[in-house]
Amino acid sequence: GENVEQHPSTLSVQEGDSAVIKCTYSDSASNYFPWYKQELGKRPQLIIDIRSNVGEKKDQRIAVTLNKTAKHFSLHITETQPEDSAVYFCAATGGTSYGKLTFGQGTILTVHP
Amino acid sequence: NAGVMQNPRHLVRRRGQEARLRCSPVKGHSHVYWYRQLPEEGLKFMVYLQKENIIDESGMPKERFSAEFPKEGPSILRIQQVVRGDSAAYFCASSPSAGTLGVVGYTFGSGTRLTVV
Repeated sequence: GENVEQHPSTLSVQEGDSAVIKCTYSDSASNYFPWYKQELGKRPQLIIDIRSNVGEKKDQRIAVTLNKTAKHFSLHITETQPEDSAVYFCAATGGTSYGKLTFGQGTILTVHP
Repeated sequence: NAGVMQNPRHLVRRRGQEARLRCSPVKGHSHVYWYRQLPEEGLKFMVYLQKENIIDESGMPKERFSAEFPKEGPSILRIQQVVRGDSAAYFCASSPSAGTLGVVGYTFGSGTRLTVV
């Protein structure tokens, strides 16, 4: 089955800096890669996603890149703000997994004012 | 347009009791997924259901856990004879379809936080 590794587990940045979170996946059949933001005690919320036919996608301060050959994808947050502080999860699905998402272990992002 | 509704939000059970967690998907969504999140960990897939069918239960413990998604009504995750290790947040998600291109419109509910005392 699919295995997703996420790094780093914690990330601390100053307000205004950029933050990068990286994930690798094992199943070459995976073709959909969402990123979720989860604040304490709340539901995971989709912030951006990318499909395997696209190499990069951007939405304001958030971007995701995908390298299918290397089987890794990354989340980039620019001009970080304190409200970006949360736990971020990457996930992967596709091929025979259908709707089953395999999540990474999560990254605790702290943005210091 | 209500999102995925889960209830109860918090559930306390004594060891040995049964826990029933409910999930009402987004209107029009016929695919439901259950995930478990242990404290300070990621979400782990448990089971994927369509109306009246279990599609994938590869993440479900073999004993004490069961799930259903009847033709009418919410999806139910049932945990019999709960133990302290069952304490976790249980999230439900729904989507309108799930095909070879992956998930479309996947939405999570707010979760049920189960505490076993």
